Amino acid sequence: AAGVIQSPRHLIKEKRETATLKCYPIPRHDTVYWYQQGPGQDPQFLISFYEKMQSDKGSIPDRFSAQQFSDYHSELNMSSLELGDSALYFCASSSLGGVRSDTQYFGPGTRLTVL
Amino acid sequence: AQSVTQLDSHVSVSEGTPVLLRCNYSSSYSPSLFWYVQHPNKGLQLLLKYTSAATLVKGINGFEAEFKKSETSFHLTKPSAHMSDAAEYFCVVSEGYNFNKFYFGSGTKLNVKP
Repeated sequence: AAGVIQSPRHLIKEKRETATLKCYPIPRHDTVYWYQQGPGQDPQFLISFYEKMQSDKGSIPDRFSAQQFSDYHSELNMSSLELGDSALYFCASSSLGGVRSDTQYFGPGTRLTVL
Repeated sequence: AQSVTQLDSHVSVSEGTPVLLRCNYSSSYSPSLFWYVQHPNKGLQLLLKYTSAATLVKGINGFEAEFKKSETSFHLTKPSAHMSDAAEYFCVVSEGYNFNKFYFGSGTKLNVKP
């Protein structure tokens, strides 16, 4: 079965640079979530989108923005990167319309390292 | 308010012995409850989910969990641990009202000794 795809899997950036993370949800899933997992931490919810509209917002810094496109893929844009942004970024998807299910299926994550 | 408490940050068992990972939750609404497993440097894999259909939920790899409303618990068990079970386990609650929001526990690292 198709799973959530994230790209890139690894990303190394310098301080103050920008980064774009991409997420491709499971086919027919209409909702995408972004999480940040710091070293030794549990995943922290950043933001979610349902049918291309922002549905919820968590602890996402103002330097970050995200959107969901017409094909339901999502991108997380991170600017003015800081050392503390180094983390594993997960995307998850679920189907809240249609065959409704609150189960979130996670991608493999993008490991961002800021030097 | 919703919260999830995983009572043990680390659990160590011998291969072939039972596993118990404890989770307590608080939720204002009828919750959905999940257990996810994360192997080192890997993503989060769904182990099992409770959605009020049955209080004893069977998941993958021989794991199961029992929902006890009176105790607000959702402990994860496995009769016999395998070396490949060594990983971090997260208990998650999803609100019944605004159920697109996940609340993670702090995780329990399971170590399996030979």
